[in-house]
Amino acid sequence: GDSVTQMEGPVTLSEEAFLTINCTYTATGYPSLFWYVQYPGEGLQLLLKATKADDKGSNKGFEATYRKETTSFHLEKGSVQVSDSAVYFCALRSNQAGTALIFGKGTTLSVSS
Amino acid sequence: DVKVTQSSRYLVKRTGEKVFLECVQDMDHENMFWYRQDPGLGLRLIYFSYDVKMKEKGDIPEGYSVSREKKERFSLILESASTNQTSMYLCASSFNDRNSPLHFGNGTRLTVT
Repeated sequence: GDSVTQMEGPVTLSEEAFLTINCTYTATGYPSLFWYVQYPGEGLQLLLKATKADDKGSNKGFEATYRKETTSFHLEKGSVQVSDSAVYFCALRSNQAGTALIFGKGTTLSVSS
Repeated sequence: DVKVTQSSRYLVKRTGEKVFLECVQDMDHENMFWYRQDPGLGLRLIYFSYDVKMKEKGDIPEGYSVSREKKERFSLILESASTNQTSMYLCASSFNDRNSPLHFGNGTRLTVT
């Protein structure tokens, strides 16, 4: 079945460091891909998405490119802030309507000043 | 803005009780979902509903049932609560479109004693 694998954390960075969180997927067909963020004590918020190969999703300085050839959707940010400390989830939705999101296990990011 | 509202933020129940978790969305979404979130396991799908009165089992439906009598409301029912159902429960909704992201509520933290 479809699945998502993302790098295990925690990831600990200093403010202004470069961030990469790796995400790879296994799916039949052409899924849509998403990154969600969860701040402490809150639900999940959509961070960005990409719906077809070579699409780049971006939001709040975060970017991710849908790479079909490597089945990857790595999350990047050029300069992290303390306020970016959160749990990040990679997810896919298959190419059929009415299906659920399949999530990776999440990566905890901790940014110190 | 899409609003997904879960009726309780924190809930404490006793073993064997019947527990109802309620979720309401205000965006006329066709699809609704219940996930549970546990440390180290990420988000796991319990049940989802692609339309009113329709339901599909997710990855871990045992011990749970659901009800969707109206489009905006999706209830999760624990028929006889057990301690291994202590968890964070997240409700979500979306349009019936594979490119549509899921919108999440803030979660209900259920403790079964």
